Amino acid sequence: GEDVEQSLFLSVREGDSSVINCTYTDSSSTYLYWYKQEPGAGLQLLTYIFSNMDMKQDQRLTVLLNKKDKHLSLRIADTQTGDSAIYFCAESAGGTSYGKLTFGQGTILTVHP
Amino acid sequence: DGGITQSPKYLFRKEGQNVTLSCEQNLNHDAMYWYRQDPGQGLRLIYYSQIVNDFQKGDIAEGYSVSREKKESFPLTVTSAQKNPTAFYLCASSLGAGGAEKLFFGSGTQLSVL
Repeated sequence: GEDVEQSLFLSVREGDSSVINCTYTDSSSTYLYWYKQEPGAGLQLLTYIFSNMDMKQDQRLTVLLNKKDKHLSLRIADTQTGDSAIYFCAESAGGTSYGKLTFGQGTILTVHP
Repeated sequence: DGGITQSPKYLFRKEGQNVTLSCEQNLNHDAMYWYRQDPGQGLRLIYYSQIVNDFQKGDIAEGYSVSREKKESFPLTVTSAQKNPTAFYLCASSLGAGGAEKLFFGSGTQLSVL
């Protein structure tokens, strides 16, 4: 079945860039997503990328996709303490898969002064 | 304001008891989903519904049941058959139009066993 893997922890200093990595196994993945979860809350969609793209930028967020290696990354520029949260990578095959996303375990990002 | 409302925020279940988690959305979305989140694990899909009066099992449906009688509502019942129900339950909805399905999540219900 599909599998999505992420490293569990990342710690960065305020103002530095954060890079969160994700690998996936499903070669039919059409869309790849990044979600953010703050403590005790639901998930919030940050951004997504279509599999025929290799980069997408949205303000402080940059998504890089290496489809050959099935590797996805999220770069957060000028990381702030408010960026401390769990970040989930997810994938779907699109089409009739609708919202049947496969999620990674989540990466806990800690931003310290 | 449009959004998804889950209730209650905290729920306790006794041995052998069925409990129902509520999920309501006013986003006019066709599709709704229930995910389970355990610490250190990703979200796992329990059930999903693409249209009223229809729903399908996800990856971990055993011990759970759902109904979709109204577009706005997708309640989840955790039955006594679910032997390890302690988890954080998240409801989500999306347009259901296919393509990049942008899921909107509720704030979750933490279920614990007494």
